[in-house]
Amino acid sequence: GENVEQHPSTLSVQEGDSAVIKCTYSDSASNYFPWYKQELGKRPQLIIDIRSNVGEKKDQRIAVTLNKTAKHFSLHITETQPEDSAVYFCAASIDYKLSFGAGTTVTVRA
Amino acid sequence: EAEVAQSPRYKITEKSQAVAFWCDPISGHATLYWYRQILGQGPELLVQFQDESVVDDSQLPKDRFSAERLKGVDSTLKIQPAELGDSAMYLCASSQSSYNSPLHFGNGTRLTVT
Repeated sequence: GENVEQHPSTLSVQEGDSAVIKCTYSDSASNYFPWYKQELGKRPQLIIDIRSNVGEKKDQRIAVTLNKTAKHFSLHITETQPEDSAVYFCAASIDYKLSFGAGTTVTVRA
Repeated sequence: EAEVAQSPRYKITEKSQAVAFWCDPISGHATLYWYRQILGQGPELLVQFQDESVVDDSQLPKDRFSAERLKGVDSTLKIQPAELGDSAMYLCASSQSSYNSPLHFGNGTRLTVT
């Protein structure tokens, strides 16, 4: 099955700085890459996703890039705010099966 | 905004007892998923339904876990007997289709086995 590795496991940034989370996947057939944000005690929520025919996607302060050749994709959060503090999960999908990374705990320092 | 409903929110049970979780997906979502999330890890798929049919249960410990979605709407996940290692968050999710469609998660059931 698909193996998704996520780095770093924890990330502390100063408010206003950027945060970058990187993920790699093992199966070149993976074609869908969503990112989920999970605040403490709450459900994971989709924040952005990208499909294999696109190299980059932006939504306000959040962007995702995909490098199919290297089999890695990254989440970029610019101008971080305290409400960005959460656990972020990347995932990769082959057809219908979604495999998640282990998560990155992001802490934004005021 | 429509949400996936799950109950109970918390469950404490003794090992060897039976426990059941319920999930009601967003109306019209044909695909339903049960995930297990151990603290500090990402969600792991246990079982996936397309309407009332099981699409994938390869990671479901079938000797003790069972899942059903009889009418293709709500679903029940059962564990019997529960073991200490089953302590985790059990998340239900639904999507409009099974092919690369965004998942909408419920709030989960936090299971503690003592």
